[in-house]
Amino acid sequence: EVQLVESGGGLVQPGGSLRLSCGGSGFTLSSHWMSWVRQAAGKGLEWVANIKPDGSVRNYVDSVKGRFTISRDNAKNSLSLQMSSLRAGDTAVYYCVRGGGHFDLWGQGTLVTVSS
Amino acid sequence: DIQMTQSPSSLSASVGDRVTITCRASQIISSNLLWHQQRPGEAPNLLIYAASTLRSGVPSRFSGSGSGTDFTLTISSLQAEDVATYYCQHNNSYPRTFGQGTRVEIK
Repeated sequence: EVQLVESGGGLVQPGGSLRLSCGGSGFTLSSHWMSWVRQAAGKGLEWVANIKPDGSVRNYVDSVKGRFTISRDNAKNSLSLQMSSLRAGDTAVYYCVRGGGHFDLWGQGTLVTVSS
Repeated sequence: DIQMTQSPSSLSASVGDRVTITCRASQIISSNLLWHQQRPGEAPNLLIYAASTLRSGVPSRFSGSGSGTDFTLTISSLQAEDVATYYCQHNNSYPRTFGQGTRVEIK
């Protein structure tokens, strides 16, 4: 089955760090741009970051630049999002998504809660 | 940044009705427009890309049209399983942005 599965979400204090991971199965993740998209509770979708298949190009939404880092390990068919200096406004479900803008496969999401 | 504005924000229609959702981009985006469906409690799912190309496996009652700045998603005959929030999204430049969503309910 073609799917993406996220992990690593949880409760973190403001200013803290968290690393999200995403594993792909049923397809070759290394052939695709990959993205993270988030959704706050009851709110809409916000693209966060994407990364080129070879990892040489990364793009971020302004609100996370300098705080979040997207990376990939093609040998392990995996994607990561390292988040630091977390704020309450980063609280959301984070989706791992196949595509750099043509989002054609979504994971089920992992919840990140930033709260003291 | 390109702003995507959907209307209406929500709608209620009967099974079998024709439903139309509009999406307007704040700048010209050619046909770089996608539609996603998010059923309650689920992750989003791609329905249409390149403004009018139906993704394989998506029922033919869904269709998309438009180019430039104005786009529409049409459900020709609303079904119970179409209850969801629908989002437009551009793929024209960075940052990728989504519309605020249109919630579709059954009357």
